[in-house]
Amino acid sequence: AQSVTQLDSHVSVSEGTPVLLRCNYSSSYSPSLFWYVQHPNKGLQLLLKYTSAATLVKGINGFEAEFKKSETSFHLTKPSAHMSDAAEYFCVVSDRNSGNTPLVFGKGTRLSVIA
Amino acid sequence: DTGVSQNPRHKITKRGQNVTFRCDPISEHNRLYWYRQTLGQGPEFLTYFQNEAQLEKSRLLSDRFSAERPKGSFSTLEIQRTEQGDSAMYLCASSLETGQGGRNEQFFGPGTRLTVL
Repeated sequence: AQSVTQLDSHVSVSEGTPVLLRCNYSSSYSPSLFWYVQHPNKGLQLLLKYTSAATLVKGINGFEAEFKKSETSFHLTKPSAHMSDAAEYFCVVSDRNSGNTPLVFGKGTRLSVIA
Repeated sequence: DTGVSQNPRHKITKRGQNVTFRCDPISEHNRLYWYRQTLGQGPEFLTYFQNEAQLEKSRLLSDRFSAERPKGSFSTLEIQRTEQGDSAMYLCASSLETGQGGRNEQFFGPGTRLTVL
């Protein structure tokens, strides 16, 4: 069975400072890993994905994440937070080789950005 | 707009009533997924279709829930005899699967928020 654990339910940073949202995964298979963002009253949007190519993945809006198999981690980072980054972030896993498994979401981390 | 659309966006109903939600996926996408998201939680998988075939159902999908995708395009999710515990956001997503592995880049709709009184 696959699962993800988001280690922080809420992270608060000041505008212009770095963002770190932590995620650990568990998968019996070769995982695909994703980060999605959910702004209030808007649909989930894909930030970035890892599917077996480069372990450092760059996404939209300056976010990036590094796949570390030895640590079973896929932490999301951004060098400098903007007010518009305030949202709910979900770490997600699926089975890359199966081709048909649904996404398994973490419980989410709420990011607050303080002016 | 060529994204995933869902209707209605909000539904308030009384316990015991039936409700039906509709999802229109991105037109060329062959897979369609339904998820449920309760307050403070991440979305949880309910079921998915490849074209018109329903290929997997979660154990969360009780007998009161039924989903269809009759022509392989739009899908409906019906909940019969609603209960207060059914109150949640119901999300639809679609993807284009080409048989080359679980790339699973799913595009999500805005959701239908159900409130059962």
